[in-house]
Amino acid sequence: GNSVTQMEGPVTLSEEAFLTINCTYTATGYPSLFWYVQYPGEGLQLLLKATKADDKGSNKGFEATYRKETTSFHLEKGSVQVSDSAVYFCALNLNRKLIWGLGTSLAVNP
Amino acid sequence: GAVVSQHPSWVICKSGTSVKIECRSLDFQATTMFWYRQFPKQSLMLMATSNEGSKATYEQGVEKDKFLINHASLTLSTLTVTSAHPEDSSFYICSAVPGLAGGPNSYNEQFFGPGTRLTVL
Repeated sequence: GNSVTQMEGPVTLSEEAFLTINCTYTATGYPSLFWYVQYPGEGLQLLLKATKADDKGSNKGFEATYRKETTSFHLEKGSVQVSDSAVYFCALNLNRKLIWGLGTSLAVNP
Repeated sequence: GAVVSQHPSWVICKSGTSVKIECRSLDFQATTMFWYRQFPKQSLMLMATSNEGSKATYEQGVEKDKFLINHASLTLSTLTVTSAHPEDSSFYICSAVPGLAGGPNSYNEQFFGPGTRLTVL
């Protein structure tokens, strides 16, 4: 079946540290891949997306590359800020339905 | 653009009562809306797909008679939790897909409402 696996959190980093949140997927067909972010007390927001293999999504300093050969879509940021503290969800879209990872909580300390 | 609102943002009710949650796309039309449920520290669980002008499609294990969905217009879908019980307490989130069926939104991006916190006493 279709599924998304994310690294478990919580992740705690110091400001300006490098961030990687791993995400792998299994899917029949050719899904689009997404990273969503949920800041404390707010709704889900699309962070970035990639619709086909080798596409790189980027936004707010975050990047993720759609790797078909490893079925991965790892999220990275070179230098995190306190304001990046949130829960990050990896998701795939097939046939208009989103299938979600469990979410990874990130806390960035000053 | 692409703003989705939910009302109410939180609600507390007594066991046995029914609660209605509204999901509105404010600046676009959406033939398809989705309803999710999010448990603490867990992922979103898709409950149902709401299609304007037709019956909702429920995911396996979701009771359609308990969670009534009505998508009466291109900008409004409602979720009614009937005869609510404490185990129904959760965070309910809706999303909407801009565009009409067969339209140009080929990657089917969903836009999310801020969620509704339901507490059943």
